[in-house]
Amino acid sequence: KQEVTQIPAALSVPEGENLVLNCSFTDSAIYNLQWFRQDPGKGLTSLLLIQSSQREQTSGRLNASLDKSSGRSTLYIAASQPGDSATYLCAVRGLDTGRRALTFGSGTRLQVQP
Amino acid sequence: EAGVTQFPSHSVIEKGQTVTLRCDPISGHDNLYWYRRVMGKEIKFLLHFVKESKQDESGMPNNRFLAERTGGTYSTLKVQPAELEDSGVYFCASSQISPAGLLRGETQYFGPGTRLLVL
Repeated sequence: KQEVTQIPAALSVPEGENLVLNCSFTDSAIYNLQWFRQDPGKGLTSLLLIQSSQREQTSGRLNASLDKSSGRSTLYIAASQPGDSATYLCAVRGLDTGRRALTFGSGTRLQVQP
Repeated sequence: EAGVTQFPSHSVIEKGQTVTLRCDPISGHDNLYWYRRVMGKEIKFLLHFVKESKQDESGMPNNRFLAERTGGTYSTLKVQPAELEDSGVYFCASSQISPAGLLRGETQYFGPGTRLLVL
């Protein structure tokens, strides 16, 4: 059974810092890994999707890496801004073609101080 | 293009009552998913529709939960009778069926969720 862990659970940084959020998963047999952002009281916004054959994906100030063999992914946020404050979730999809369900971590709550 | 929409945004009901949640996926998306987050826990998968068919309902907690997607468009999730432990946020997501060989690129787009409180 796949388990996804995110560390740290919460993080507070001053504006402008570069930061790294960590995600680990127990079963390396994955199709892809997706990073989401959730603002308080809102839904999930997809940030980046990394296919199992890829090493990283970039979008603006965000860079996500994937090391499938070690069961790890990181989300790097450059030059953090107060608007980046949110909960960041990672989720993996398994290889079973009959199951497209995502398995989520519990998230990292990020606070960027102005 | 409209995103995934869910109705209602909030629902407060008493234990034993019935509640029906609705999800409208992105137009043209054949895949529709239900997830939920109960207090203090991570988001958990409930079930997956492909068009009007249930592809995977392995996450449904018990037979008090009934999901339908008549006509392959919007979906409803009914909880009857509701229990205290059903309180949480219910999310719906949708995605396109990828062409063969591109399954790994499927992004699930989430709605804002329905916040359910059972008293």
